[in-house]
Amino acid sequence: AQKVTQAQTEISVVEKEDVTLDCVYETRDTTYYLFWYKQPPSGELVFLIRRNSFDEQNEISGRYSWNFQKSTSSFNFTITASQVVDSAVYFCALFNNTNAGKSTFGDGTTLTVKP
Amino acid sequence: DGGITQSPKYLFRKEGQNVTLSCEQNLNHDAMYWYRQDPGQGLRLIYYSQIVNDFQKGDIAEGYSVSREKKESFPLTVTSAQKNPTAFYLCASSILAGSAYEQYFGPGTRLTVT
Repeated sequence: AQKVTQAQTEISVVEKEDVTLDCVYETRDTTYYLFWYKQPPSGELVFLIRRNSFDEQNEISGRYSWNFQKSTSSFNFTITASQVVDSAVYFCALFNNTNAGKSTFGDGTTLTVKP
Repeated sequence: DGGITQSPKYLFRKEGQNVTLSCEQNLNHDAMYWYRQDPGQGLRLIYYSQIVNDFQKGDIAEGYSVSREKKESFPLTVTSAQKNPTAFYLCASSILAGSAYEQYFGPGTRLTVT
């Protein structure tokens, strides 16, 4: 069985602070994909990043960065210099080919960035 | 613009009535999905379809039904058998070929049953 755990239910920071959202996953497969999605108050999930299990390079996109560590089964997401517009629910998800086309989502982390 | 549309955004029904939620995509994606989201919780998969005229139950299919007669459409019916239907429903689609498995989501339908 596969599982995604986002232990932080809610995080609150003040604007310009850095914040890291944790994601820990479980899977028996050697080939899998990890994702992060953002759900703003409007409700629509927005895709942020995809990482496959053979690519452990960290990635940076503007203020966003992702740290993938297979040794600890973690795929953490850091927002640098947070802004109010970053306030949203963030979901980590896991997909593998043997799970019949289904993704497993974590329960999400609600990030509130205060001005 | 390419994307996924869901209608309506808000839906109110009386208990005991069936209700159908619409989902249309013009991304030419093969796979489509329906998720349910309850307050403070993650997404739970109701049904998914990888090709036209074929669909599979997800983790919480009881009380729901779907059809996939066209590639671009995947309507969800919430039946009177669903014991707790009030929730936020999200439709999504994805490409099946290659490694591009990220899902694209619609704006969601918030269903309230009283």
